[in-house]
Amino acid sequence: GAGVSQSPSNKVTEKGKDVELRCDPISGHTALYWYRQSLGQGLEFLIYFQGNSAPDKSGLPSDRFSAERTGGSVSTLTIQRTQQEDSAVYLCASSPKGLGSNGYTFGSGTRLTVV
Amino acid sequence: AQSVTQPDIHITVSEGASLELRCNYSYGATPYLFWYVQSPGQGLQLLLKYFSGDTLVQGIKGFEAEFKRSQSSFNLRKPSVHWSDAAEYFCAVGPINTGTASKLTFGTGTRLQVTL
Repeated sequence: GAGVSQSPSNKVTEKGKDVELRCDPISGHTALYWYRQSLGQGLEFLIYFQGNSAPDKSGLPSDRFSAERTGGSVSTLTIQRTQQEDSAVYLCASSPKGLGSNGYTFGSGTRLTVV
Repeated sequence: AQSVTQPDIHITVSEGASLELRCNYSYGATPYLFWYVQSPGQGLQLLLKYFSGDTLVQGIKGFEAEFKRSQSSFNLRKPSVHWSDAAEYFCAVGPINTGTASKLTFGTGTRLQVTL
């Protein structure tokens, strides 16, 4: 597609429920990244995928968080047993192999609210 | 480990006034530096980047930034601010493109308010 698409744009869930957040990167971009933006905080790196290489999961805050990328394209970030501290905006970005000449292209994010 | 510091959490300027947003980084090698802007409810948009060469780089919307290696800084400037520049600004650092995926480290952002 023309840009990075994320869905849903907003998600309200009850504490303890599981949620799935979806990211559809720019066609042809081999690298895909997930970041979390909490109120008053910067962007916290979660995970990235590069082609068929093993993902870098070093930023995932707990084992309740996982992500997969199917077919080198769409990615899903799953949060199990959500907690209130998981409330944040989850941003997805993609880039050509490496940072390329323009860094990342970001999606508009999914605002997750855990009540 | 790489890190980015944006010492100003919130800045208010009058429309037409000049602007400088500070960014200091810590990085073990030659960095790849970026400034992004985020308008309310939007994703991040690239303003400008520094890779190599001329240390004064021009970006979109009339913004520029200067890389100063000796000060480990990459401050963002604009000569005359417009009300539409009100947004949050993020500085980021990453490794020079090695052809593999490279994660960016972001600062905590500076929120710019513009008064009329």
